Amino acid sequence: DQQVKQNSPSLSVQEGRISILNCDYTNSMFDYFLWYKKYPAEGPTFLISISSIKDKNEDGRFTVFLNKSAKHLSLHIVPSQPGDSAVYFCAASANDYKLSFGAGTTVTVRA
Amino acid sequence: DAGVIQSPRHEVTEMGQEVTLRCKPISGHDYLFWYRQTMMRGLELLIYFNNNVPIDDSGMPEDRFSAKMPNASFSTLKIQPSEPRDSAVYFCASSLFGGGGYNEQFFGPGTRLTVL
Repeated sequence: DQQVKQNSPSLSVQEGRISILNCDYTNSMFDYFLWYKKYPAEGPTFLISISSIKDKNEDGRFTVFLNKSAKHLSLHIVPSQPGDSAVYFCAASANDYKLSFGAGTTVTVRA
Repeated sequence: DAGVIQSPRHEVTEMGQEVTLRCKPISGHDYLFWYRQTMMRGLELLIYFNNNVPIDDSGMPEDRFSAKMPNASFSTLKIQPSEPRDSAVYFCASSLFGGGGYNEQFFGPGTRLTVL
């Protein structure tokens, strides 16, 4: 049973606009959350993370928001750029050295 | 550093054949992970090692799958016999301190396996 769910398999956004990716989780023991980005024919690369003691973490154009009561997190990319077109994976950890990943959301940024 | 190295990048085989996937982690990393990516289930953790010792293999789907790490710089994932439903992209990743919490996992480019 998947403990991390990304219910939107794809997202299309115009260049310069905001991309919002959503992720839900079911395991209340998760205390650390990460987003990975993956280009075709490459492995996933780490993008940004957030600890459960925070509700927001920002790094340049990327911001992750965590709502623990709703067991929901989101990734905001603003402004979106063509190079952001990729698959984005949400992942979570219960501090047991394992990451549980969602199925991924494919983002396409239109020029 | 060259990053995590995986070989082969592509593998096409016939049902029933043995398949061996190889991984060289980043030097100095003490955790190694094997994942499988499919359209239906996304990225699934199969097994992970700490200091060459398998810690959790609960994600290994069947006895047909086995993994070894004979030393700190090499790991293999073997499927014997292979079946068409094993077709997927297999990733190897390595990290310091396991990656759960404050240390990210670094992924290799993956091996795309096709079993006919």
